[in-house]
Amino acid sequence: NAGVTQTPKFQVLKTGQSMTLQCAQDMNHEYMSWYRQDPGMGLRLIHYSVGAGITDQGEVPNGYNVSRSTTEDFPLRLLSAAPSQTSVYFCASSSEREPTDTQYFGPGTRLTVL
Amino acid sequence: GEDVEQSLFLSVREGDSSVINCTYTDSSSTYLYWYKQEPGAGLQLLTYIFSNMDMKQDQRLTVLLNKKDKHLSLRIADTQTGDSAIYFCAEVVGYQKVTFGTGTKLQVIP
Repeated sequence: NAGVTQTPKFQVLKTGQSMTLQCAQDMNHEYMSWYRQDPGMGLRLIHYSVGAGITDQGEVPNGYNVSRSTTEDFPLRLLSAAPSQTSVYFCASSSEREPTDTQYFGPGTRLTVL
Repeated sequence: GEDVEQSLFLSVREGDSSVINCTYTDSSSTYLYWYKQEPGAGLQLLTYIFSNMDMKQDQRLTVLLNKKDKHLSLRIADTQTGDSAIYFCAEVVGYQKVTFGTGTKLQVIP
């Protein structure tokens, strides 16, 4: 199993540009989440999904859109990038079949918005 | 609120024990986790503890949970340079709802 994969690893955008951060998992996990990590603030939940076709907002959803058309993929879209979205983005997945609710993380995407 | 707080930085000498502390505010947590993040990498689960336990030991790692004070700690015995990383505590409240702490950067001095 590849686990949770994310692309790209690094990205630089100009203010106002749009892009999609890709996330995929091959563990047949129902739950997928997007977090952003900023210095001194831990990880903050952006959006999450409890299954294909179902998404919901997390703590900091503004400026981001998600969709979950398949169990495997959970892309995060920035429609009009802003410097405040400069961060490291992590995708995670988990399953109710595991008793400890352990989240498995991807390697992250480092995004800079100029 | 569901804030999970940690001190930002800890420095120890190689071979000493490290103790990383975490406080949380939601008493209904079901599980509490410790994750390790090495530079440029994602988070890796180190260990976890059920909320009805006081202590869990796993090789060099000891987790202590004080539910009365909402305090969680991770002790790393015989700390090695490879233990240098950022350590995050996290709590699960309800179903699949995970809140992460701010992270503690552990620096191990050779």
